[in-house]
Amino acid sequence: QTVVTQEPSLTVSPGGTVTLTCTSSTGAVTSGHHPNWLQQKPGQAPRALFYNTNYKHSWTPARFSGSLLGGQAALTLSGVRPEDEADYYCLLYSGAGWVFGGGTRLTVL
Amino acid sequence: QVQLQQWGAGRLRPSETLSLSCAVYVGSFSGYYWTWIRQPPGKGLEWIGEINHRESVNYNPSLKSRVTISVDKSKNQFSLKMRFVTAADTAVYYCVRGGYWMFDLWDQGALVTVSS
Repeated sequence: QTVVTQEPSLTVSPGGTVTLTCTSSTGAVTSGHHPNWLQQKPGQAPRALFYNTNYKHSWTPARFSGSLLGGQAALTLSGVRPEDEADYYCLLYSGAGWVFGGGTRLTVL
Repeated sequence: QVQLQQWGAGRLRPSETLSLSCAVYVGSFSGYYWTWIRQPPGKGLEWIGEINHRESVNYNPSLKSRVTISVDKSKNQFSLKMRFVTAADTAVYYCVRGGYWMFDLWDQGALVTVSS
C-alpha cells in the first residue's frame, strides 16, 4: 500500500514563509493523485484547504497556496500568522483509495 | 447549523461490531462520495472508505475485510459497520462529504473506545 510522507514538524516565525511537502512511496506526486491539504487545530475536526493540488475552498486564506514541486505536493504559507499553528495533512488518491500523510505539526514561534 | 450528524455506540468491547450512522442535512445526497475517516487519539488521519448514492463503495485495503459501508437514500443517511474491533480501533470517527476529488464537509467527530 502507498505510504505518504510529510515532515513531522516545522517551525516558522510570524510573518515568515514555510513550505510543507508531501511525497509518495510509489514515485512522483502528480495531478493524478488529486492532492488535498487539510488543517486541524487541537480539539477540532480537520478543515479542508485545497483539493486537486491548488484549488482553494471558499474559506481558504489567500496567504495559503498549493502546488506540485519537484515530484512532491506542496503547501506554502506566506505571511504566517499565529493562528496558522496547527497540524496539516496531505491526502493523495492512490487508485485503491485515499491515503493520508502522517501530518506536519506547524509551530509559529 | 448542523450539516452532518453522526450517532452510534461510543464504547465497545473487543470483538464487538462498531456501528455508526451519519445523517446528511445539506445539499444534494447524490453526486457525492459519503466517507468515513478516523483518527486514533494523538495520531494521524486514516481513510476508511466511501459510498455514493448508487451504492458504489471503495474501502481502505487494510480494513476491507472488516468494514461495510451502506447508504439509505430515503433518509439521506450512510452507515459504517466494523466487525471484530480491537483496542487499535479506538479513534475519533468522522463522517465526511467527499467527491469531485475533495473532502469539504466534516462532522465534529465521535470518539469510539474499545476496551474490555
